[in-house]
Amino acid sequence: ETGVTQTPRHLVMGMTNKKSLKCEQHLGHNAMYWYKQSAKKPLELMFVYSLEERVENNSVPSRFSPECPNSSHLFLHLHTLQPEDSALYLCASSQEAGTGGEKLFFGSGTQLSVL
Amino acid sequence: GQNIDQPTEMTATEGAIVQINCTYQTSGFNGLFWYQQHAGEAPTFLSYNVLDGLEEKGRFSSFLSRSKGYSYLLLKELQMKDSASYLCASMDSNYQLIWGAGTKLIIKP
Repeated sequence: ETGVTQTPRHLVMGMTNKKSLKCEQHLGHNAMYWYKQSAKKPLELMFVYSLEERVENNSVPSRFSPECPNSSHLFLHLHTLQPEDSALYLCASSQEAGTGGEKLFFGSGTQLSVL
Repeated sequence: GQNIDQPTEMTATEGAIVQINCTYQTSGFNGLFWYQQHAGEAPTFLSYNVLDGLEEKGRFSSFLSRSKGYSYLLLKELQMKDSASYLCASMDSNYQLIWGAGTKLIIKP
């Protein structure tokens, strides 16, 4: 197992469901991120964790709830989502957060469809 | 406001050269990144420029002009596998990445 792994790859859920996205990194990095990617739009940063502490929360609706139990694992808990939340959710990690030149290592994403 | 502009889509021929441009306006500047993203896959790091000039890595080169707020990614000897989206991102003074919407590159035989 190498890099950043996300599960599930695809998820279809109703607006009343509760589901969780999982991310695991095997790179020994200290920072982890959740991004939202919608078609033909820039990546939107949702949350940043550095050493398991949340350091960034970019005005994300409360129906998205992140959890970082340790520096290798990151979850995104979803509940009562809206159809406009349908998108590709990408997890990423980097050696540190908030420093110049840090390149991100991304997972392949979870393609989420909200019906 | 902060903004990144890059073309939505470009088409090029196998074996040719293509240049993907990116202009940026950010509050401060701590470098310019290029990532490649194949359909359905993770974005992967291509290059990072913080000083003016051209950085070459094999078939791929990246250029930066800080005074013009401009960068380009140059791909030579195009191969079919280069068909992907190319994401430009500028890092601002708070070390936040500001992303462009990506350029979808289509390679034709």
